[in-house]
Amino acid sequence: GQQLNQSPQSMFIQEGEDVSMNCTSSSIFNTWLWYKQDPGEGPVLLIALYKAGELTSNGRLTAQFGITRKDSFLNISASIPSDVGIYFCAGWAGGGADGLTFGKGTHLIIQP
Amino acid sequence: SAVISQKPSRDICQRGTSLTIQCQVDSQVTMMFWYRQQPGQSLTLIATANQGSEATYESGFVIDKFPISRPNLTFSTLTVSNMSPEDSSIYLCSVGASANYGYTFGSGTRLTVV
Repeated sequence: GQQLNQSPQSMFIQEGEDVSMNCTSSSIFNTWLWYKQDPGEGPVLLIALYKAGELTSNGRLTAQFGITRKDSFLNISASIPSDVGIYFCAGWAGGGADGLTFGKGTHLIIQP
Repeated sequence: SAVISQKPSRDICQRGTSLTIQCQVDSQVTMMFWYRQQPGQSLTLIATANQGSEATYESGFVIDKFPISRPNLTFSTLTVSNMSPEDSSIYLCSVGASANYGYTFGSGTRLTVV
């Protein structure tokens, strides 16, 4: 089946630093989504991207849908302690398959 | 977005037994899915719960092991049958109108099989 390669696996940063993570795939996705999961909770949608080349922001978060439709990145500017958690990229391929394919996640740890 | 109530939130079960997980949504939803998240891992789609018909299972998941019901547009159940320790995972219900709007996830059921 389809797989998403998400990197980095984990990040240890200082509060106030910018963060960047990305996902790549060997196949095309029609929609890219970025989720954040806190301990004991389900993933929460941060940003949804619908078109190749699209750049979308949500507060300090910015994400882009790659031109080839095989990749996406998420940037977080000026990180704060509540940004700690696991970030997942997810792709929707369409074509009758309505579920999402998830990346393996990026575990963000912020040192004060 | 829809509000999902998933029950139980956690359980510890004996091997060989079965557990039924409930997913209740506060509004009618088109799409409803069940995911598994093994310890420290990502989410894997188990199946799409179809209203009024049999669920559509992903490769590696079968109906005998994970029977699913969806009697209406606001409710679904997932049963984990004949459990073994390898079934210890978080099971998550997810709903939405379409992937283009993103899907909402429940808080999950943390299952430990001993």
